[in-house]
Amino acid sequence: DMQMTQSPSSLSASVGDRVTITCQASQDISNYLHWYQQKPGKAPKLLIYDASNLETGVPSRFSGSGSGTDFTFTISSLQPEDIATYYCQYYQDVPVTFGQGTRLEIK
Amino acid sequence: EVQVVESGGALVQPGGSLRLSCAASGFTLSSYWMHWVRQAPGKGLVWVSRSDNDGRSTSYADSVKGRFTMSRDNAKNTLYLQMNSLRAEDTAVYYCARDVPHRRFDPWGQGTLVIVSS
Repeated sequence: DMQMTQSPSSLSASVGDRVTITCQASQDISNYLHWYQQKPGKAPKLLIYDASNLETGVPSRFSGSGSGTDFTFTISSLQPEDIATYYCQYYQDVPVTFGQGTRLEIK
Repeated sequence: EVQVVESGGALVQPGGSLRLSCAASGFTLSSYWMHWVRQAPGKGLVWVSRSDNDGRSTSYADSVKGRFTMSRDNAKNTLYLQMNSLRAEDTAVYYCARDVPHRRFDPWGQGTLVIVSS
């Protein structure tokens, strides 16, 4: 099965900082990679699909890039409301695989 | 508004059974594949199962295969997850999610908590 290695597992940054999270696939997955945000006690929310496409209604400070095995998720200017855990997801067929998650905190 | 709402979570003893429901509104369930995903307390997201549009084809994670059964009643716009032979490690919040173009999960429900404990 596909393995998705997400890093770091936690991250502390200041408001206004540029934040980067990476996700590495164990095999070439083209661009079948999505990014979700999960705020405490809430359901996950889709932010980026197909590695680099911004979901409708999602602020433009969020972006994604990459293809093949290496992917990056970026928040260009961290806002207080961005406190959450972020997950990458690979889904071309089952089993669907999630990264371990990155907990983002405000410094 | 497009939404899904899970229900049926409870405290159940090891070896017991439980059926979760996921009520869809704002869209026609029969037009979409659907998934169940779970999240153990303080842990990450783990895919559980998938159903095609009419429920004839289902897939499961190895950890639940043979114990969990996903089904749907498209006339009632409702998805189900029958969970048998429950174990402590099945303790989690269970989410249902719609499978939309580009293989995205959107939306997700708010989740329902299953606790397996004696």
